Amino acid sequence: EAGVAQSPRYKIIEKRQSVAFWCNPISGHATLYWYQQILGQGPKLLIQFQNNGVVDDSQLPKDRFSAERLKGVDSTLKIQPAKLEDSAVYLCASGQGLTQPQHFGDGTRLSIL
Amino acid sequence: AQSVAQPEDQVNVAEGNPLTVKCTYSVSGNPYLFWYVQYPNRGLQFLLKYITGDNLVKGSYGFEAEFNKSQTSFHLKKPSALVSDSALYFCAVRPSTDKLIFGTGTRLQVFP
Repeated sequence: EAGVAQSPRYKIIEKRQSVAFWCNPISGHATLYWYQQILGQGPKLLIQFQNNGVVDDSQLPKDRFSAERLKGVDSTLKIQPAKLEDSAVYLCASGQGLTQPQHFGDGTRLSIL
Repeated sequence: AQSVAQPEDQVNVAEGNPLTVKCTYSVSGNPYLFWYVQYPNRGLQFLLKYITGDNLVKGSYGFEAEFNKSQTSFHLKKPSALVSDSALYFCAVRPSTDKLIFGTGTRLQVFP
């Protein structure tokens, strides 16, 4: 089966600019996750979708981050405006239930200048 | 607060020797437990999980993990390490109705 696809792989922007990341999950996976992984740390959940509805966005900085999954398939995560502390790898994952593993894409490495 | 601890930032082992990467957790109830591996510039890859049943679970690439409920631990093991096992390993815990909580990761370095 095809894995989780993410693009772009790398992005460099200046602070206060905006950026968007795209994710296409594994076919049939109802649950989609966006994580932020800062260098030297484990992934931190930003937002979880179940189909096209938000299940958990408690750790999403909503003043600057937004995400959508309009048709219950692919998803976009946006940052506007970006801050220096947003430099991280943004990982997308998909899954099928609490007891099943999450499958991760290779991530987007974001550098803020 | 619920948390996952990986007490060693790095584990060094010689090729052919057994390896252990430690994980302990503090969550309520009976959580689901996972191990993932991350190679440079890649996403996390699933290795194995414990949901219920036998305390020793076997996973991909010859890895296994032992669940110990009394010690709230889920240590990752492999009888004979390979240089290609060198990577970053993450323990993750999911309380039964909550999100996945990751440890900070342990870098495994296997020397030839």
